[in-house]
Amino acid sequence: GAGVSQSPSNKVTEKGKDVELRCDPISGHTALYWYRQSLGQGLEFLIYFQGNSAPDKSGLPSDRFSAERTGGSVSTLTIQRTQQEDSAVYLCASSLDRGLSYNEQFFGPGTRLTVL
Amino acid sequence: QQQVKQSPQSLIVQKGGISIINCAYENTAFDYFPWYQQFPGKGPALLIAIRPDVSEKKEGRFTISFNKSAKQFSLHIMDSQPGDSATYFCAASTQNSGYSTLTFGKGTMLLVSP
Repeated sequence: GAGVSQSPSNKVTEKGKDVELRCDPISGHTALYWYRQSLGQGLEFLIYFQGNSAPDKSGLPSDRFSAERTGGSVSTLTIQRTQQEDSAVYLCASSLDRGLSYNEQFFGPGTRLTVL
Repeated sequence: QQQVKQSPQSLIVQKGGISIINCAYENTAFDYFPWYQQFPGKGPALLIAIRPDVSEKKEGRFTISFNKSAKQFSLHIMDSQPGDSATYFCAASTQNSGYSTLTFGKGTMLLVSP
């Protein structure tokens, strides 16, 4: 079956503009995660969605970042008034979250965001 | 505060050699330790994982060694091949309000020379 897909694959924007990044999780996966991967910094957790529950937004770095998940499937990460330090690869992952600590997360290929 | 420390940052190994990547963690609540492999332009993919009730897990050429008392775990790649050249991330997980989150190390860029 299809894996996690993300679009666009690359996004170049000017400082101060808003951007939207999209994630299509694996069909049937109830959990969805967003991570940010900066050069030499590993993967930084941003936000987590599980079904219809309120999302865990504890990893969002500022109020310029927001995300939503419509119908328990597709998710959009929005960054408002982008800054140069927002440049990174944004990764989405999904999993069958059964409330266990060992649910494999399947990652998409990421969106490379460059803020000029 | 970095909860999972990974070393080395980069590693060059000759074909056929053993690649060793080390990680240390601080949070004793972690109960699942996966390793992810990432090729350029791709997302990370689960390689192998271990739970703290065992000290070693082997899958093919890949082995995780786990030392609970030292709060350390490592990835060994035996007979390293050029196709193993990738970035490797260790991670740790625990349940948080009924779901799991992953805390990642900063990654190790492995280059296996032919």
